[in-house]
Formats: sequence, C-alpha cells, structure tokens
Amino acid sequence: ILNVEQSPQSLHVQEGDSTNFTCSFPSSNFYALHWYRWETAKSPEALFVMTLNGDEKKKGRISATLNTKEGYSYLYIKGSQPEDSATYLCAFGGANNLFFGTGTRLTVIP
Amino acid sequence: DGGITQSPKYLFRKEGQNVTLSCEQNLNHDAMYWYRQDPGQGLRLIYYSQIVNDFQKGDIAEGYSVSREKKESFPLTVTSAQKNPTAFYLCASSIGVGPKPQHFGDGTRLSIL
Repeated sequence: ILNVEQSPQSLHVQEGDSTNFTCSFPSSNFYALHWYRWETAKSPEALFVMTLNGDEKKKGRISATLNTKEGYSYLYIKGSQPEDSATYLCAFGGANNLFFGTGTRLTVIP
Repeated sequence: DGGITQSPKYLFRKEGQNVTLSCEQNLNHDAMYWYRQDPGQGLRLIYYSQIVNDFQKGDIAEGYSVSREKKESFPLTVTSAQKNPTAFYLCASSIGVGPKPQHFGDGTRLSIL
C-alpha cells in the first residue's frame, strides 16, 4: 500500500480568496495522479487525471500542476466561491489500483 | 442520464449475516471497482473488474466477494468473515484500464446491529 498525503487536512477561506493544496506521493514508478472533488451528500467527481511531469490542467477556476520527480501535485482554486466547498481527494495509481489520500476539506465562507 | 446507481443507501447487518450491496452502471464502462471508506482514512480498494467474468482482489479483499456476470453490474457481498464491516462503500467505473477518470456512485453505508 502506497502512502499518499494531502495537506492541509482542512481550511476555511473567504469568498473571493484564492487557495491551493498539496498532494504528495511516491516519486518512483509514477503512472498517474488523479484529483477528485467530493461534495457532501454527493458522489466524488473527477477533476483531472495527470500523467506527465510538468503537466498543468485547468477546468474553469481550478487548475493543477504535477511534479513526478519530486512527488507532488498542487491544486489551485482562483477566486473561491461557496460552491467550491467540498473535500478534494488526490489518488496515485497504477493501471488498476488507485491509492487515495485522506483529502483536503475546503470551506468557503460567503 | 448515464451514471452509477448504488443500493441501498443504508444497510444494517446482524452478526453472522452476509449482505449484498448493489452497483449498476449504464455508462457502458468496462472496468468497475469497489472501495471502502473508514473515518480518517483514504478510500481503499476492495475488488476491481476489468471485464465481464473477471475480477481481481484489491488491498483489502478479505471477507468480501464479488461477481461480474454482466457488464452493467458488479455486486459486492460482505460475508460474515469480514470482522469489521461497518463502513461507507463506494462503487466506481471507468471506461477502461489505464489512466482514466473513475465515475462514482453515491455510496452505501453499512452498519452492524
């Protein structure tokens, strides 16, 4: 079982603030890094799947970067809105098996 | 709308009973997965299936069994051998193997009476 760590565990930001969180994973034998958003009482929703070192992906106000050599990925949210409140999960994985972190719980205060 | 349906939403089990959690998808995905979530832990893989009539153990398969007789369906049985079954169970699917995003159901919460 691989160790995937996310930080911080939780954070509160004011509406309009930009924020970012970190996912750390083993730097050897990299295959893919996934990001998911999990809102309360809903199912996890895929944000990004990243495979290449230096990859940057963007979806609206959310973007992610990947550094496979040092084993980390950042997720950025620009101009946070209350609807961004959710738990953000990262998962490091092979072809079949994903290892999930415990998530970063974001609360955006109106 | 295409998606994954898990049922029931809440399930209670008596000691010594087997229970089966349902997972159905209409996304035409080949691969399906079962995860377990416990407080303070990340999702952990129980079983996965890449194709009909084939499935593989994940990290915590002991005390669980699955079947994949149809592409759309991947039921999970929690057997009496699973000593600590109380958890939240999520089913997911993906279009195939490889670095593909997974689509999740809403989950089933299993509790022991």
